[in-house]
Amino acid sequence: SYELTQPSSVSVSPGQTATITCSGDVLAKRYARWFQQKPGQAPVLVIYKDSERPSGIPERFSGSSSGTTVTLTISGAQVEDEADYYCYSVPDNRWVFGGGTKLTVL
Amino acid sequence: EVQLVESGGGLVQPGGSLRLSCATSGFTFNRYWMSWVRQAPGKGLEWVANIDEHGSEKNYADYVKGRFTISRDNATTSLFLQMNSLRVEDSALYYCTLGDYWGQGTLVTVSS
Repeated sequence: SYELTQPSSVSVSPGQTATITCSGDVLAKRYARWFQQKPGQAPVLVIYKDSERPSGIPERFSGSSSGTTVTLTISGAQVEDEADYYCYSVPDNRWVFGGGTKLTVL
Repeated sequence: EVQLVESGGGLVQPGGSLRLSCATSGFTFNRYWMSWVRQAPGKGLEWVANIDEHGSEKNYADYVKGRFTISRDNATTSLFLQMNSLRVEDSALYYCTLGDYWGQGTLVTVSS
C-alpha cells in the first residue's frame, strides 16, 4: 500500500517562509493536493496538481514537486496561516493522505 | 455555490449500524467521483471510500471493507454511507467530499 510522509510539525515566525514536505513513491506518478485545516473547520484546498492554486487562495501559497517529494511553501507566513496541513494523492482510485503537519506561526 | 451537507451521525453501540447521507448542490453531481473521509478526534484525515460518477465503481479502505457500503442517487444528488458492524475505532467526524470541496461533517460515536 502507498504511504505519504510529512513532518509532524513546522514552526516559523510571522513573515518567514514555511516549507512543508510530503514524500512517497506514489508522487512520482500521481499529482498531489494540499489541504489546510483550522481547528473545528473542514479542510480547504490550497494547492492541486502539485503546484496549482485555486481561486481565492493567497499568492503566498505555492507548491512544487521533485521526484517523490512535493513541497508546500508559504512565503511570508501570517498568523492566520497557523493550521494543520495535509497532502494527499490518488493512486489506483484510492486516496492516500499524509499524516498532517501542524504549522505554528509565532 | 457548492454545498455538501452531511447527516445521519450519532451514538451507536459496537456492532450497530448507521446510515450517513450527504445532500449536495451547486455542481453537476453526476459528473464527479464522490468520497467519504473521516477524522477521529485529534487525529489526521483518513480516506474511507469513494464511488464513480455512475455508481458502478466503488473502492474501500481495508479497515472498512466488508462492513461499509457507499452509494449514490444521481436523481437527488445525494451520497450515502451504510455502516454496519461498527467498532469503537470507527468513531470519527465523517466528511463528504468531491475533492475540492468538503462538507462540515457528521459525528459518529461508537460506544457502549
